[in-house]
Amino acid sequence: GAVVSQHPSWVICKSGTSVKIECRSLDFQATTMFWYRQFPKQSLMLMATSNEGSKATYEQGVEKDKFLINHASLTLSTLTVTSAHPEDSSFYICSARDLSVPYNEQFFGPGTRLTVL
Amino acid sequence: AQSVTQLDSQVPVFEEAPVELRCNYSSSVSVYLFWYVQYPNQGLQLLLKYLSGSTLVKGINGFEAEFNKSQTSFHLRKPSVHISDTAEYFCAVSGPNQAGTALIFGKGTTLSVSS
Repeated sequence: GAVVSQHPSWVICKSGTSVKIECRSLDFQATTMFWYRQFPKQSLMLMATSNEGSKATYEQGVEKDKFLINHASLTLSTLTVTSAHPEDSSFYICSARDLSVPYNEQFFGPGTRLTVL
Repeated sequence: AQSVTQLDSQVPVFEEAPVELRCNYSSSVSVYLFWYVQYPNQGLQLLLKYLSGSTLVKGINGFEAEFNKSQTSFHLRKPSVHISDTAEYFCAVSGPNQAGTALIFGKGTTLSVSS
């Protein structure tokens, strides 16, 4: 089956630093990847849609300058949290669509736990 | 616009009892429906999906769901739960004609199975 990996699985950083999270589709090509954010005991909230070779589309209320998304290849998208603050601490999950699948199933990465001190 | 409502935020059950997790959706177009399970500190795993055809969908781990178009529901069921089924369950919807559209998730239902 389709596998999506995320790296790192967890990260602790100081306030004001930047953190990069990678999302990779390991055995399929993904023209579209999605970035979600999940607070404790809450649902997944879509942050942005990342399309290979073009600018990401951000959801309302998500700061594009703070959450930089790059989708440079069909197997890799990165999310960079710039100048992170404690309120950015969350569980970040990416998902990817498999081009060969004719419906909108997405495959999810295992998530990245970000803690900003 | 599409939306998903999971009617129960928490469902406690005893082991080997049946369980139903309820999900209703709203959409003006045909949809695809999904149920995902999330174990603590992990990503989401697909349990089952409805795309078209038979309204009774069988998934992994003994779960099944029934698509009811007239009631706009997609309830998840399992006839006998195990302790290992304790997790968070999310119902999600997407439109079939919206290429690249992200899933819209319900708020989740916490299933707690005790002995």
